[in-house]
Amino acid sequence: DGGITQSPKYLFRKEGQNVTLSCEQNLNHDAMYWYRQDPGQGLRLIYYSQIVNDFQKGDIAEGYSVSREKKESFPLTVTSAQKNPTAFYLCASSTWTGGGWGEQFFGPGTRLTVL
Amino acid sequence: SQQGEEDPQALSIQEGENATMNCSYKTSINNLQWYRQNSGRGLVHLILIRSNEREKHSGRLRVTLDTSKKSSSLLITASRAADTASYFCATLRMDSSYKLIFGSGTRLLVRP
Repeated sequence: DGGITQSPKYLFRKEGQNVTLSCEQNLNHDAMYWYRQDPGQGLRLIYYSQIVNDFQKGDIAEGYSVSREKKESFPLTVTSAQKNPTAFYLCASSTWTGGGWGEQFFGPGTRLTVL
Repeated sequence: SQQGEEDPQALSIQEGENATMNCSYKTSINNLQWYRQNSGRGLVHLILIRSNEREKHSGRLRVTLDTSKKSSSLLITASRAADTASYFCATLRMDSSYKLIFGSGTRLLVRP
């Protein structure tokens, strides 16, 4: 069963703590992405990776970190430096279609709440 | 900054009616994509239209693209209550082929 999974579904964090959100895909996609979504808003790109051991900052990378040690995995760490981390986090993956990166496949999301 | 902006922000229609959502963008694009999001869930890809295409169909969905006006529309025909969701357009820009820019979405309510 191919797809992209995220865990946990809900995550609660105390202020000052780092937390790591998991994202795994078995679609053999080269590119993976992390987005943040605030209520009633669209998605904003945090980080993306087009190849293993390489990743780039998106529009709102401050306070976040990622790694891409395996093609299947792209974990996101929300650090204590992120001032307003409560949000819905979405992971996605895509593959090169010749004319550019194609449609993105999304995981079910992780809702992070800072207490 | 947002590349795609959807219009209207919210739309309420009766089951069986057609729903039209519009998207405008600012810079040249490689392609434009429409996604659907049910409340609290991930996004699901609906349709991709390339910059050299003008119209595309998929089931009850029809997407048009007017690159001269930098706009696109998504038409859902014969709507169903299950179509209730938020719909987002996203553009893949010509100058940065990796980056998909999402609009803020149209929230569609289909009343039974």
